[in-house]
Amino acid sequence: DAGVTQSPTHLIKTRGQQVTLRCSPKSGHDTVSWYQQALGQGPQFIFQYYEEEERQRGNFPDRFSGHQFPNYSSELNVNALLLGDSALYLCASSDRDSLFETQYFGPGTRLLVL
Amino acid sequence: QKEVEQNSGPLSVPEGAIASLNCTYSDRGSQSFFWYRQYSGKSPELIMFIYSNGDKEDGRFTAQLNKASQYVSLLIRDSQPSDSATYLCAVGGKLIFGQGTELSVKP
Repeated sequence: DAGVTQSPTHLIKTRGQQVTLRCSPKSGHDTVSWYQQALGQGPQFIFQYYEEEERQRGNFPDRFSGHQFPNYSSELNVNALLLGDSALYLCASSDRDSLFETQYFGPGTRLLVL
Repeated sequence: QKEVEQNSGPLSVPEGAIASLNCTYSDRGSQSFFWYRQYSGKSPELIMFIYSNGDKEDGRFTAQLNKASQYVSLLIRDSQPSDSATYLCAVGGKLIFGQGTELSVKP
């Protein structure tokens, strides 16, 4: 049973560029959430996708956008990168029908903006 | 006031001791509470979840929830050096995380 997968594992970009991160959920899961984790901090909720629509959003600017595909996989896009966007980006998947929708995390993508 | 608060630590305990990790939250309407373990350079790994007042045990781990006091805790019995990690408390459906408590178990 494959767990949550993310690609790429590491990425280096320069300020102003755009980046796309990808996530495949755990088998049987239909909901994908994205989090940003800065060094020494807990993960911060970016947004959640279900049925190909953004259902909830955290306190992140519009430069952060996403998409969910019919196979439940998801992308996170960040435009006009800032130095402060350097972080570990985590994808978590869950089953909408499960009790309290327990979330399981992928290995993350570490983004460095120079 | 932060929505979810944890002592950042580091919390240091000797091998074989009980480690006690604490978390408070501000939203009284919260229904679900999670503990994740995160090793350095890795992603969070789910240890336990709890949603009813009282204790929930799973092996060496016990989660405790007191909704009246808005308090969640995690006890680790017979702590091992391999338990050394950052423990993250998370609350709710969209997972509001505390900043994590670093635990160090000394042999």
